[in-house]
Amino acid sequence: QKEVEQDPGPLSVPEGAIVSLNCTYSNSAFQYFMWYRQYSRKGPELLMYTYSSGNKEDGRFTAQVDKSSKYISLFIRDSQPSDSATYLCAMSLFNYGQNFVFGPGTRLSVLP
Amino acid sequence: NAGVTQTPKFQVLKTGQSMTLQCAQDMNHNSMYWYRQDPGMGLRLIYYSASEGTTDKGEVPNGYNVSRLNKREFSLRLESAAPSQTSVYFCASSPGADEKLFFGSGTQLSVL
Repeated sequence: QKEVEQDPGPLSVPEGAIVSLNCTYSNSAFQYFMWYRQYSRKGPELLMYTYSSGNKEDGRFTAQVDKSSKYISLFIRDSQPSDSATYLCAMSLFNYGQNFVFGPGTRLSVLP
Repeated sequence: NAGVTQTPKFQVLKTGQSMTLQCAQDMNHNSMYWYRQDPGMGLRLIYYSASEGTTDKGEVPNGYNVSRLNKREFSLRLESAAPSQTSVYFCASSPGADEKLFFGSGTQLSVL
């Protein structure tokens, strides 16, 4: 079993839809959870960061962590064509970059 | 503000050839990283440098060497390229013990 699993997609939705992206993980000790967005032929950029369980909202984006189920989600409201990208989840035991474990990413297409 | 700059953007090598991937950051970050990204797999850490003067192996260091030339620059060397090293390589930096990784745009490497 991979340490972090993520549906690779592609996921296609119409503009304005609510998008739900998910990751499951096996290591219950993970404490730090992140979502990165990666446009084609670009490097990943940090979207959301959460510590432990709960929700965090930033504009149209909401990150949710359920440690009891070892499951994290990223919700995108009112999706836009500019949201079309690959979304990577990442998690870590400690708050150090060298410990991050990345999921393989979900490719999202938002159709106008 | 350039951020993290990687060169070259594309490279084709023959098996057994050597090359160095260059990375420079202008954000005065202490920590720098080299990742590789392969289809269906998450970003995997090759080497990292927590601070100037130190380097450590990551998850997949075999076949690679690194040099932290100064605080700004962190290079990755393939001494004898193999087809298994065909991948997209990303350099990243972070201020230090911090969750935010800043990525370059990547180098697409093909080894024939």
